[in-house]
Amino acid sequence: DGGITQSPKYLFRKEGQNVTLSCEQNLNHDAMYWYRQDPGQGLRLIYYSQIVNDFQKGDIAEGYSVSREKKESFPLTVTSAQKNPTAFYLCASSRPDGINEKLFFGSGTQLSVL
Amino acid sequence: EDKVVQSPLSLVVHEGDTVTLNCSYEVTNFRSLLWYKQEKKAPTFLFMLTSSGIEKKSGRLSSILDKKELFSILNITATQTGDSAIYLCAVDGGTSYGKLTFGQGTILTVHP
Repeated sequence: DGGITQSPKYLFRKEGQNVTLSCEQNLNHDAMYWYRQDPGQGLRLIYYSQIVNDFQKGDIAEGYSVSREKKESFPLTVTSAQKNPTAFYLCASSRPDGINEKLFFGSGTQLSVL
Repeated sequence: EDKVVQSPLSLVVHEGDTVTLNCSYEVTNFRSLLWYKQEKKAPTFLFMLTSSGIEKKSGRLSSILDKKELFSILNITATQTGDSAIYLCAVDGGTSYGKLTFGQGTILTVHP
């Protein structure tokens, strides 16, 4: 079955450490997104990519980095510059047809700071 | 800056009750409004409402869009414990393809 796979489900980060969250999709979607979810704040967009080798900053990109070397993969790195990284991270994809898009989500990664 | 506000933020009801969840928005160039249900981890798609489709219904769930007053409601009738979840409203404000702005979510708890 097609879908989006995020790993790991749980991740712990030490002070000053960079960590990378994986997101893979086999839906053949062009666009991929990373959202951060904090309690009471809904989902906020970190980065998005509409095509391979291209990505754009979202609303809260500071302290994060991404790459899009393959259509199927959109890893997110949480750098040491992100001072409050504890949150639930959701990866999503869509097939932007220029009309209306529906996001498909992975099951998320819960990141906590040790 | 696009803005989406949901209310109430949380709601507790008993099985069989009817609930109405609200979503108001201010966006640059409205294209669509989407409702998602998040039970544990991955949000799942419920409805998409656009200028050409302002009312949707699926079983006990229904949603309408008022483009003049800039809001949408999600109605759930005869609630069941399986309806307990976070309900997310999101709007495509036309700033970039597929880029959605989400509201804070409404946490619905249905007691037996």
